[in-house]
Amino acid sequence: QKEVEQNSGPLSVPEGAIASLNCTYSDRGSQSFFWYRQYSGKSPELIMFIYSNGDKEDGRFTAQLNKASQYVSLLIRDSQPSDSATYLCAAEARRASGTYKYIFGTGTRLKVLA
Amino acid sequence: EAQVTQNPRYLITVTGKKLTVTCSQNMNHEYMSWYRQDPGLGLRQIYYSMNVEVTDKGDVPEGYKVSRKEKRNFPLILESPSPNQTSLYFCASRIPTGNTQYFGPGTRLLVL
Repeated sequence: QKEVEQNSGPLSVPEGAIASLNCTYSDRGSQSFFWYRQYSGKSPELIMFIYSNGDKEDGRFTAQLNKASQYVSLLIRDSQPSDSATYLCAAEARRASGTYKYIFGTGTRLKVLA
Repeated sequence: EAQVTQNPRYLITVTGKKLTVTCSQNMNHEYMSWYRQDPGLGLRQIYYSMNVEVTDKGDVPEGYKVSRKEKRNFPLILESPSPNQTSLYFCASRIPTGNTQYFGPGTRLLVL
């Protein structure tokens, strides 16, 4: 079983619409969650992180966390063609050694249609 | 400018020929990691380092070595590359309690 699961997509939305990206995780001990955007052939860049249940907003982006359901989502309002990319969800999990690591999902490809 | 650099960016090699991919960061970060990214498998951690001379295995360390002799540098060594190590490699760094992990530009490796 994958530890962080995402639908691979592609998720296609029209320009100006809300894009909703979802992620589930299996480790109940995970405390922090991250959304990265990755353009084709480029490195991932952090969009948002969240560690408390509820919503966290930053500009056009809103991250939502529900620890009871082990569910994280990212909403992109007023989607633009420049938002077309792969979005990676990551959970921070604790190793047996006590250190922390990131576990990444395989990403959801978003296409915003002009 | 705060950045993580990797070299080379592209590399084609043959099975068994030792190679090193360099990684350097100018942010004085303690934590550095190497990841590989493969279609359908996502980003997987190869090795990580918590500080100078402190390294440990990630999830897929087989066939790789690392060293951390200086805080800014974290080279990835493939002693005897094999075709299944063909992948896109990313180096990353962050502070121990930081939420932002900075990624290098990536190294695309093809092993024939």
